[in-house]
Amino acid sequence: EAAVTQSPRNKVAVTGGKVTLSCNQTNNHNNMYWYRQDTGHGLRLIHYSYGAGSTEKGDIPDGYKASRPSQENFSLILELATPSQTSVYFCASGTNQAPLFGEGTRLSVL
Amino acid sequence: GDSVTQTEGQVTVSESKSLIINCTYSTTSIAYPNLFWYVRYPGEGLQLLLKVITAGQKGSSRGFEATYNKETTSFHLQKASVQESDSAVYYCALGGFNTGANTGKLTFGHGTILRVHP
Repeated sequence: EAAVTQSPRNKVAVTGGKVTLSCNQTNNHNNMYWYRQDTGHGLRLIHYSYGAGSTEKGDIPDGYKASRPSQENFSLILELATPSQTSVYFCASGTNQAPLFGEGTRLSVL
Repeated sequence: GDSVTQTEGQVTVSESKSLIINCTYSTTSIAYPNLFWYVRYPGEGLQLLLKVITAGQKGSSRGFEATYNKETTSFHLQKASVQESDSAVYYCALGGFNTGANTGKLTFGHGTILRVHP
């Protein structure tokens, strides 16, 4: 069964700390995405990837880096976390037909 | 650029009543986008509810349906009789244009919270 798994599911971080959010997909999809979801904003695209070794900036990339070391894994990295990055983060994999989403990671930066 | 507008931030409906959640879209692309409805149930991730990739067609799932209207650039979600288990957040989205450089990125609306009370 197609699946996208995110870890951790919940994270509390301190301001200025480094945070890494991980995503694994077993769908053999080339494309993977990171979105954040905030009340009143819907989901907004942070970074995406076309395949291993590729990362592209989405609509709101500032303050975030991404890494795609393999077809299956796509990480979102906050080098210096800030309270404004408190949000729910969704990873997705797929094609234009209908990306599959993970269950989300709730991040709180204090 | 692209945008999706959901006019209702929250909708409250009694069980067994009908529902409509409005969605309109705007795009600068000359190609017609694919249109989606995603749903997030409490405590769960984002799931695809339905999609339509051809203008004029209707998609349906779990009793919900939406028609891709390119004249009014709308994709409203409807259900004839809602259940309490339909309570969730519903997101309209566009993306996956059928021509050109297709990256599969989606543009989402702000979401509509649906509360169904018994």
